[in-house]
Amino acid sequence: EVQLVESGGGLVQPGGSLRLSCAASGFTINNYWMMWVRQPPGKGLEWVANTNEDGRSKYYVDSVKGRFTISRDNAENALYLQMNNLRVEDTAVYYCAEKEGAVWGQGTTVTVSS
Amino acid sequence: DVVMTQSPLSLPVTLGQPASISCKSSQTLVHSDGNTYLNWFQQRPGQSPRRLIYKVSNRDSGVPDRFSGSGSGTDFTLKISRVEAEDVGIYYCRRSSYPYTFGQGTKLEIK
Repeated sequence: EVQLVESGGGLVQPGGSLRLSCAASGFTINNYWMMWVRQPPGKGLEWVANTNEDGRSKYYVDSVKGRFTISRDNAENALYLQMNNLRVEDTAVYYCAEKEGAVWGQGTTVTVSS
Repeated sequence: DVVMTQSPLSLPVTLGQPASISCKSSQTLVHSDGNTYLNWFQQRPGQSPRRLIYKVSNRDSGVPDRFSGSGSGTDFTLKISRVEAEDVGIYYCRRSSYPYTFGQGTKLEIK
């Protein structure tokens, strides 16, 4: 079964950091661009970041540039999102997915609050 | 900024009746390779998104044939020929080139 499983979410104070992980099974991510998408409570989907197959090309939504870093470890079949200097408005469910959206994880919740 | 505008944002539909959702992009979605990269997603209550349609009109495996996508350039449409109860949820269009913007979402409910 093709599956993506996110982890690493939690409650963090403004200005803090979190690292999200996404473990893939049933398919090999090194053949695919991968992305992170988030969904604030009660709101729509927002694309956050993409990375290409070897991790050398990375793209970010303007609101996270300079604060978030997407990375991947193809040997571990895993995707990551390092989130620094977190803001209240970063509160959301974070999903990892294949770039075209064919495969999604179940999401992990990040809450930024004092 | 590239804006993806969906309409309507709320769509009450009677069971068995058709439904249609529009998605308009502020820029053409025709890629230099000649393909048009526009996908449609369904998000049922409490679930992760699920892709229904890719590259405008290609249905994903397991998606009922009552779902169809069409359009070109900047104007696209998702149609459901006969709405069923399991279709309740929010539908999003999304461009598959930078900046990978999603539409605001259209909430489909049963009237």
